[in-house]
Amino acid sequence: QVQLQESGPGLVKPSETLSLTCTVSGGSIYSNYWSWIRQPPGKRLEWIGSIFFSGSTYYNPSLKSRLSISGDTSKNQISLKLSSVTAADTAVYYCARDVRIGWELGWFDPWGQGTLVTVSS
Amino acid sequence: EIVLTQSPATLSLSPGERATLSCGASQSLSSNYLAWYQHRPGLAPRLLIYDASTRATGIPDRFSGSGSGTDFTLTISRLEPEDFAVYYCLQYGNSLTGRTFGGGTKVEIK
Repeated sequence: QVQLQESGPGLVKPSETLSLTCTVSGGSIYSNYWSWIRQPPGKRLEWIGSIFFSGSTYYNPSLKSRLSISGDTSKNQISLKLSSVTAADTAVYYCARDVRIGWELGWFDPWGQGTLVTVSS
Repeated sequence: EIVLTQSPATLSLSPGERATLSCGASQSLSSNYLAWYQHRPGLAPRLLIYDASTRATGIPDRFSGSGSGTDFTLTISRLEPEDFAVYYCLQYGNSLTGRTFGGGTKVEIK
């Protein structure tokens, strides 16, 4: 059974770079898409971006200029970097396996339990 | 972007009662590409239903999904103590319209 665990600093200063890692256990990151999703306090869940094991990435247009998602097959990990953060980036960040239906977008399953990142000086 | 509207925002019920949650889409969903999730505090969101009515692996049959086009429903036939949680819907499918979540319905103990 695939399990995901997010890790990284819980506090980031404004204008700095938020860096998170998702460790996948019970399965390989090969042959799958993986996504990052976030939920700011009191707001909706928002898809951030996805990566395929080959390295192809797909980003939310609203975050694209600040976002980088990468994968490390040797460690079975997916990483997220979001630069120039502001208070609006304060959120619980989740990683999840991104299910595809042929060439169409599918649902997310399973998810990690999430990690809260607060942007504050 | 397709906007999903969930109602009610909060549902106050007792264990054993039936819960009916709604999710409305701003435009018709192709192939009824809608999923439902359960989220309990501190836990990972859990996939319940995909393709509007297909239960995910291991999900009890008291959870059922229905609907098509723009109107979808998640029904919990008899609430168990562990079912009190927040429920979200997600629409997916078309890469041009992307994937969006509803605002959530909290099912709380009355």
